[in-house]
Amino acid sequence: DARVTQTPRHKVTEMGQEVTMRCQPILGHNTVFWYRQTMMQGLELLAYFRNRAPLDDSGMPKDRFSAEMPDATLATLKIQPSEPRDSAVYFCASGPLNREEQYFGPGTRLTVT
Amino acid sequence: DQQVKQNSPSLSVQEGRISILNCDYTNSMFDYFLWYKKYPAEGPTFLISISSIKDKNEDGRFTVFLNKSAKHLSLHIVPSQPGDSAVYFCAASDRGGSEKLVFGKGTKLTVNP
Repeated sequence: DARVTQTPRHKVTEMGQEVTMRCQPILGHNTVFWYRQTMMQGLELLAYFRNRAPLDDSGMPKDRFSAEMPDATLATLKIQPSEPRDSAVYFCASGPLNREEQYFGPGTRLTVT
Repeated sequence: DQQVKQNSPSLSVQEGRISILNCDYTNSMFDYFLWYKKYPAEGPTFLISISSIKDKNEDGRFTVFLNKSAKHLSLHIVPSQPGDSAVYFCAASDRGGSEKLVFGKGTKLTVNP
C-alpha cells in the first residue's frame, strides 16, 4: 500500500527556532508538492518539484522558508526562523509525471509559540 | 485573487438524501478539475475528476458535473452516508505542461443519521 509519509506529525516550537519537515514521496512518483493549510487560506501551494528540480516556489516566503529534494526519496521543508504566523498544517503530496492526481501525506501540524 | 471558489463553508444533509457541493472558477485556462475529500487529522484523498471535454463523470455514488460556460462544477453524492462527512476540496488545473493544482477553501459536509 504505497503512501506518502511525513515526519514529524506534530511539532511545537518557540518563535525563532528552526523547523524541518520531511516527506517521503511514493516510489516512482516524479512530482512533489508542499502545501500549507490554514483556516483562512485553505490549501496554499508553497513549492513544486518535478524530477527533483524546483519548478515553482512562488507561494513560499523566501526569506525564511526553503524547500529541497536531496534525493528522490526525500523532500524537506525548512523554516528558519519560525514565527507564530507559520502555525498551520503542512502537507506533502506526490504524483506521477503528467498527471494531475496528487497523493497527500498525513500532514505535519506545526505550532509556533 | 481566488481562482477557485467554494462559496459554502458548510453543508448539512440527511442520510439517504442527495448532497450537492458547488465550485466556481475564474481562470478560463483551467481544463481539468478534481474533487478531494479530507477527514480530520488526515491528508486529502482524491475522489473524482473531470476533463473539460466532458460535462459529466460518474463513479458509484459520486457524480461531477461541469458547466464550462458558467465556469461552474458540482459534486453530487447520492445517497449520502454518515461516512461521507468530511471536508471536500475542489481543485483545478491548467494542463499546459504543469501538474499544479489550485484548490478552493473547502466545504464541510455533515451527513446526519
